[in-house]
Amino acid sequence: DTEVTQTPKHLVMGMTNKKSLKCEQHMGHRAMYWYKQKAKKPPELMFVYSYEKLSINESVPSRFSPECPNSSLLNLHLHALQPEDSALYLCASTAQGSDYEQYFGPGTRLTVT
Amino acid sequence: GQSLEQPSEVTAVEGAIVQINCTYQTSGFYGLSWYQQHDGGAPTFLSYNALDGLEETGRFSSFLSRSDSYGYLLLQELQMKDSASYFCVLGGATNKLIFGTGTLLAVQP
Repeated sequence: DTEVTQTPKHLVMGMTNKKSLKCEQHMGHRAMYWYKQKAKKPPELMFVYSYEKLSINESVPSRFSPECPNSSLLNLHLHALQPEDSALYLCASTAQGSDYEQYFGPGTRLTVT
Repeated sequence: GQSLEQPSEVTAVEGAIVQINCTYQTSGFYGLSWYQQHDGGAPTFLSYNALDGLEETGRFSSFLSRSDSYGYLLLQELQMKDSASYFCVLGGATNKLIFGTGTLLAVQP
């Protein structure tokens, strides 16, 4: 299984809502990532988890809260988002020592109204 | 800081060869990767250069010159399905990847 799955595919939420994005992989990868991608732009790194511990937080606003319950799952909790947070949110994972080869999920298309 | 620059758009015809360039500024890195992303899709890994020189993977080749802070992706025998965005990506000492600005390749019949 060389697949990273993400749910939901699409999400529309109001600025007062609380929602969560989910990501799952069963490749035994121990590093997992959240990226944000705006249209016609490269992915921007948000968070990195290594061995289930947060190792990189790219100064992301606290309205985004990551969680890694176990080595296969990664969540991104969303609260009080702004319309400018509308974007494609991508999850990725890598094997140990091969961080150059990231396996991306299909992404969640988020719209904040 | 680190930055990678790519041409924003490249157009080529089916069957041709196209080269997508990437110039970078960085104080140090482990290697240069290339990713392909179709419209609405996820980025997919294409190739990686840890050392200077040419790496070949089927129709795709990638080149790195650390002395020139330069790399490129070469696509041969272009097909319509190669129409996509292509990103060069720097990998460093941590798990962090730095994506280039991206090149939109349009393959015409």
